[in-house]
Amino acid sequence: SAVISQKPSRDICQRGTSLTIQCQVDSQVTMMFWYRQQPGQSLTLIATANQGSEATYESGFVIDKFPISRPNLTFSTLTVSNMSPEDSSIYLCSGRGSERGNTEAFFGQGTRLTVV
Amino acid sequence: RKEVEQDPGPFNVPEGATVAFNCTYSNSASQSFFWYRQDCRKEPKLLMSVYSSGNEDGRFTAQLNRASQYISLLIRDSKLSDSATYLCAVTRGSTLGRLYFGRGTQLTVWP
Repeated sequence: SAVISQKPSRDICQRGTSLTIQCQVDSQVTMMFWYRQQPGQSLTLIATANQGSEATYESGFVIDKFPISRPNLTFSTLTVSNMSPEDSSIYLCSGRGSERGNTEAFFGQGTRLTVV
Repeated sequence: RKEVEQDPGPFNVPEGATVAFNCTYSNSASQSFFWYRQDCRKEPKLLMSVYSSGNEDGRFTAQLNRASQYISLLIRDSKLSDSATYLCAVTRGSTLGRLYFGRGTQLTVWP
């Protein structure tokens, strides 16, 4: 499947600040998603990143808190805004539908965020 | 009710053992099914897709039971390197739609 490079891999941030996470795919993908994963828990979908239009957010997540960009079919960013300690988590981007015809989801390496 | 339910374990088995995980899904419209493996502090990686007829890849066998709405993963002759968390995932509707994940089953294989 395609490869996603996600950065930063980890960060420690002050509350009230914002962090932007970037994901670069080595080929065009149809769908991109952003997930959050708490330790020992499953992946929770934050939103679907839509190319050239506003992201589609899941219940409990809003654009003001988690603005997402997807300017083309290979790149997306997620910003965690006005952070609080409750935002400490692992954030993962995911792609589906690569040029190579794969339909399974593949993931970036994750961003481990700690808010202090 | 959660979209996907999975026994979190942990499962602790000796090398060479056979271990099975089950995962149930609530939506009968679910179309695609997968097993992912996630190592500690790593991203999930696809282990295998699950097909209606069941499929096998070496020591791993995946099965789907649509009537009872569950998928299973069987690992034979467990290796130390099989220690990880195994996540089941399903999609419904669109082929490239979002995945719904179970919380994962933790497996530890001991020597």
